[in-house]
Amino acid sequence: KAGVTQTPRYLIKTRGQQVTLSCSPISGHRSVSWYQQTPGQGLQFLFEYFSETQRNKGNFPGRFSGRQFSNSRSEMNVSTLELGDSALYLCASSRDRGEKLFFGSGTQLSVL
Amino acid sequence: AQRVTQPEKLLSVFKGAPVELKCNYSYSGSPELFWYVQYSRQRLQLLLRHISRESIKGFTADLNKGETSFHLKKPFAQEEDSAMYYCALRTGGGADGLTFGKGTHLIIQP
Repeated sequence: KAGVTQTPRYLIKTRGQQVTLSCSPISGHRSVSWYQQTPGQGLQFLFEYFSETQRNKGNFPGRFSGRQFSNSRSEMNVSTLELGDSALYLCASSRDRGEKLFFGSGTQLSVL
Repeated sequence: AQRVTQPEKLLSVFKGAPVELKCNYSYSGSPELFWYVQYSRQRLQLLLRHISRESIKGFTADLNKGETSFHLKKPFAQEEDSAMYYCALRTGGGADGLTFGKGTHLIIQP
C-alpha cells in the first residue's frame, strides 16, 4: 500500500500570498488530520477531516482552512501568509476516527 | 487545556545501558497516551499506545495516573534506537487531535 503522500515537498512564498497544500491518504483511510511543526512550538494540531466534514480544529487563526474531497484527499489553505507560518506541515491519515495515525513526509513551507 | 512535557531535549546513553524517556502530562480527565518516533530521514510513526499495553522494539511505557506520567523505557539500548521521540496525548475518546510534547532526541553511543 502506498503511504500518505503530500505535495509539494517544498514551497517558497512571500508574505501576503496564499498557499494550498495537498494530502492523499492511504487507500481506505477516511480521516485526515493536519499538523504544523516548528522548532519553537513543536507539533501542533491544525484540524481533522472525516467524511468531507471538519470534525475538529486546533487553536489557529481563520487564515488556516482546509477541505476534504469525496475520495478522502485533503487540501489545506493558508491565506495572507505571515513569516511565522514558515513550518513543516504534516498530514496524517487513519482508517477511522481515533485509530492509528500514519504520517506523510510533510510539506516544508518557507515564507519570505 | 491539556499539556505534554518532555523535560529532556537531548538524552545520550551508551549501547546496552537502560533508557528512560520522561513524559508528564496535565489533563483532568482520562487521556489516551502515545509515544511516536522519528528515525533519521523517516516519517513520524507510532511506537506504542498505553491502551495496547504492548512492548514494541523492546520499549514499554506505563501510564501512571497518580503522577500523570507516561515514561518510555527500554532495559538495553541499541544503536538503532537513536531517534526523536515524541510523547502525545489525546482526549475526547479519540475525537480530538493529538497534543504533542516538544520531543527528546535520543542518541545511543557505541
